[in-house]
Amino acid sequence: GIQVEQSPPDLILQEGANSTLRCNFSDSVNNLQWFHQNPWGQLINLFYIPSGTKQNGRLSATTVATERYSLLYISSSQTTDSGVYFCAVDNAGNMLTFGGGTRLMVKP
Amino acid sequence: KAGVTQTPRYLIKTRGQQVTLSCSPISGHRSVSWYQQTPGQGLQFLFEYFSETQRNKGNFPGRFSGRQFSNSRSEMNVSTLELGDSALYLCASSWGAGQPQHFGDGTRLSIL
Repeated sequence: GIQVEQSPPDLILQEGANSTLRCNFSDSVNNLQWFHQNPWGQLINLFYIPSGTKQNGRLSATTVATERYSLLYISSSQTTDSGVYFCAVDNAGNMLTFGGGTRLMVKP
Repeated sequence: KAGVTQTPRYLIKTRGQQVTLSCSPISGHRSVSWYQQTPGQGLQFLFEYFSETQRNKGNFPGRFSGRQFSNSRSEMNVSTLELGDSALYLCASSWGAGQPQHFGDGTRLSIL
């Protein structure tokens, strides 16, 4: 099956800093999503981005499908950005394969 | 528009028992997928239903089963519970393959 690797596994930032999270995948995909999991376990949709670039406020994402990677940018980080960020891909029909996640801690 | 609703939110069972979890998808979504999240294995796909038919199944033992009703609501059942079944079980719904999946808040299952 498809493999998904996320880096870095852990990230500590000072409030106001910027960061880039990376997601590499091993095969072509028809779905790529970025999620934020909060401390209560809720998976929040950030982006649906099988290709191209999208922006939503302080967050933006870029997927280069031909090179099999996606990047999530967080600018001017806030303490509420803390949590785990997951990349998930699908190439077999509604079966998301998740990466291991990036655990982000933003310090005030 | 209501999101994906999972019930119950928390559940405590003992080894050997069985459990049924419920998921109501976003209105109009016909695909429902189930995932298990544990600290050791991360987030893993269990199965997906579309129009009452199981289309895909992950690598889980036969103790894990599910079904989908004509109104797209889905249930998953785990029989003969083991300690390792303690996990957060997440349900997601979507329009179909290749479309974004939207997750419920999950059911946290603890096995004593």
